Amino acid sequence: AQRVTQPEKLLSVFKGAPVELKCNYSYSGSPELFWYVQYSRQRLQLLLRHISRESIKGFTADLNKGETSFHLKKPFAQEEDSAMYYCALDSSYKLIFGSGTRLLVRP
Amino acid sequence: DAGITQSPRHKVTETGTPVTLRCHQTENHRYMYWYRQDPGHGLRLIHYSYGVKDTDKGEVSDGYSVSRSKTEDFLLTLESATSSQTSVYFCAISDPDRGYAGANVLTFGAGSRLTVL
Repeated sequence: AQRVTQPEKLLSVFKGAPVELKCNYSYSGSPELFWYVQYSRQRLQLLLRHISRESIKGFTADLNKGETSFHLKKPFAQEEDSAMYYCALDSSYKLIFGSGTRLLVRP
Repeated sequence: DAGITQSPRHKVTETGTPVTLRCHQTENHRYMYWYRQDPGHGLRLIHYSYGVKDTDKGEVSDGYSVSRSKTEDFLLTLESATSSQTSVYFCAISDPDRGYAGANVLTFGAGSRLTVL
């Protein structure tokens, strides 16, 4: 069965510290994976997608098929990065979301 | 963000009453989705539509029905609301044919907070 697992409900770091939000998936085919972010009082929005191999707001995510992971990383966290982050897997045009990780960046 | 609107944004109702949430888009996207967001569960797909009058069930469809009579509108109905349906409901739209390399990127509405007493 297709599944997305985000093991951490809350990740708290200090400003300037590295951040890694974990995401593991279960999928039988070739996965299309995304990270979505929800800032306070804003709509859920796309942060990045693995297919375009881009870096957005300093965040990157690499697909590791061997470990079935798509961890989100940023070398130096900023306070404005505090938000709810969701990893998502496209399964025949239906996105399956993980349970989310709340990132709190403290000054 | 004005391309997708949800109504009502907030609703309080009683157990057993019917509730309809509306999602309206002006982007002419083919796909429309209803998700519910609950702590510890993230977003779970309720129903989705891939065209006018073409709908299918998602992961948590029990107790919900949908209709799409026009491209721009996707209605979610709770025939008889229960307290377990207290949640924040999100509508989303997408059009994979227009996406980067066919990637299915979703655009979300602002959400509808439903409380069932």
